[in-house]
Amino acid sequence: DSGVTQTPKHLITATGQRVTLRCSPRSGDLSVYWYQQSLDQGLQFLIQYYNGEERAKGNILERFSAQQFPDLHSELNLSSLELGDSALYFCASSGQDRGLTGELFFGEGSRLTVL
Amino acid sequence: AQSVAQPEDQVNVAEGNPLTVKCTYSVSGNPYLFWYVQYPNRGLQFLLKYITGDNLVKGSYGFEAEFNKSQTSFHLKKPSALVSDSALYFCAVREYQGGKLIFGQGTELSVKP
Repeated sequence: DSGVTQTPKHLITATGQRVTLRCSPRSGDLSVYWYQQSLDQGLQFLIQYYNGEERAKGNILERFSAQQFPDLHSELNLSSLELGDSALYFCASSGQDRGLTGELFFGEGSRLTVL
Repeated sequence: AQSVAQPEDQVNVAEGNPLTVKCTYSVSGNPYLFWYVQYPNRGLQFLLKYITGDNLVKGSYGFEAEFNKSQTSFHLKKPSALVSDSALYFCAVREYQGGKLIFGQGTELSVKP
């Protein structure tokens, strides 16, 4: 158990809809990272938050947005969903005690299927 | 820009034989390198990392990795493979700016009895 919790585990929805994925990082971790895993794109970094502030942005579509709340949990919002958005979405967290030398801890992921 | 590459999409090994999963990196400066494993329908689990020091790093489940600066490689190894080692393996480098992990494309390891 990594200590990172993601909900829901599975989500099936239709094109054009909007969904919200939730992530609770390990206790005390200030950084949250979102990744998308698909068969053709591999593991793609989407966005990072640190203590409520956006820290880095990757290949995140304009239809997607995220935020980190004061209690440090994070949400990834996906709107105007397309078939190609079907993927596994991972959240990871890291602490500051070891800086860049520490590993990231990953949740079990949220599998999104767009029909 | 920092990057890692995993040249093999799939590695097949017989149980009991040694295994190697290859990774090369491109980093300006000192690399912070990681290996993760992903079992079907699961999240990524940390195996080991190289930060500095000894070029042979030992990790979880009997895995180790050899850092080679001259060849810019960080290959994952295990002396004796188990069927339960069958999974998807990812090499990654941690970016200095922000700290995100940049992953290779993954290598599917299949260990047959």
